[in-house]
Amino acid sequence: GIQVEQSPPDLILQEGANSTLRCNFSDSVNNLQWFHQNPWGQLINLFYIPSGTKQNGRLSATTVATERYSLLYISSSQTTDSGVYFCAVEGGGATNKLIFGTGTLLAVQP
Amino acid sequence: DAGVIQSPRHEVTEMGQEVTLRCKPISGHDYLFWYRQTMMRGLELLIYFNNNVPIDDSGMPEDRFSAKMPNASFSTLKIQPSEPRDSAVYFCASRVSGGPYEQYFGPGTRLTVT
Repeated sequence: GIQVEQSPPDLILQEGANSTLRCNFSDSVNNLQWFHQNPWGQLINLFYIPSGTKQNGRLSATTVATERYSLLYISSSQTTDSGVYFCAVEGGGATNKLIFGTGTLLAVQP
Repeated sequence: DAGVIQSPRHEVTEMGQEVTLRCKPISGHDYLFWYRQTMMRGLELLIYFNNNVPIDDSGMPEDRFSAKMPNASFSTLKIQPSEPRDSAVYFCASRVSGGPYEQYFGPGTRLTVT
């Protein structure tokens, strides 16, 4: 099945810093989503982005489907950005199955 | 829209007891998914339904687990008998058919089996 790798596995930032999270996947996809799991365990939809670029406030994401990777950019980080960021993909012939990466644990320090 | 609704949010039970988790998908969504999150295995799909019919249950860990969707607005995931290794967070998600393929997740149920 399709493989999803995220990097870095963990990241510590000072408030106000910028960061880039990466997601590599091993096959063509018809769905790619970025999630933020907050310290209370809730999975928050950030982006649905199987291709192209989207922006939402301080966050933006780019997926280059032909090269099988996606990037999540966080600018001017805040302590509330802390948590785990997951990339999840659906594809490789296995439709309707979101395969999650192992996540990037982000800690933003004041 | 209210989003995906799950209940209970937390459940603590003793080994051997029956546990029932509930989910209400977003109105108009005809796909419903059950996921489990553990430290060891991360987030994994257990089963999904389309138009109330189970399509793929290959992720259900064993016969102690069962899921039903009696109508378009309600689904249950049942564990009988429960075991300590079932302790996890269980998420329900839903989406529409025909695209976009974005799945919307509920707040999850944190299950602890002692």
